[in-house]
Amino acid sequence: DVKVTQSSRYLVKRTGEKVFLECVQDMDHENMFWYRQDPGLGLRLIYFSYDVKMKEKGDIPEGYSVSREKKERFSLILESASTNQTSMYLCASSPIPQYPLHFGNGTRLTVT
Amino acid sequence: DQQVKQNSPSLSVQEGRISILNCDYTNSMFDYFLWYKKYPAEGPTFLISISSIKDKNEDGRFTVFLNKSAKHLSLHIVPSQPGDSAVYFCAASGAAGNKLTFGGGTRVLVKP
Repeated sequence: DVKVTQSSRYLVKRTGEKVFLECVQDMDHENMFWYRQDPGLGLRLIYFSYDVKMKEKGDIPEGYSVSREKKERFSLILESASTNQTSMYLCASSPIPQYPLHFGNGTRLTVT
Repeated sequence: DQQVKQNSPSLSVQEGRISILNCDYTNSMFDYFLWYKKYPAEGPTFLISISSIKDKNEDGRFTVFLNKSAKHLSLHIVPSQPGDSAVYFCAASGAAGNKLTFGGGTRVLVKP
């Protein structure tokens, strides 16, 4: 079974802090994704990566960056956290070019 | 502008009856559609998918119907069970890759 592990279930950060959300997958998948989930808006794609050191902007990349130094690890970085980044963040992985996405259990981030 | 819309935010159904979840899309380039199910405090899990070359796909109690001319798909759950109580997300993708666009979700409550 594919396992996608997000390092924190809950995080509380202050406005202006730099925040790192970590994600690790154990199935050697090429593709990795970061989504955020907000009520009524569903899941929106922030960034994705098709390979190591490669990244592509999703639909809402503003205020975020990512890092993929190793195939199994994909990090989401909030350079200067703001209250409108309070959300549930979901990491996912998939093999090329097939579906489905395998999701982690999410990190609920609160920015105060 | 949301390219994938689930217009019913919630649905309540009696155990044993049929649950019908609807999803509309606007992008005519979408050619692959998926449904995901999400329990609280867990990541979404893949449920069923359909390619645009088909109009129906069935997997046990779950059937997805696709009407390309109407840009509409639906998920039927028969019979509904209390364990089906969850949030269901519709998602779509174009041929260019496996970047998924999600709808806003429908919360289903199955009453015993």
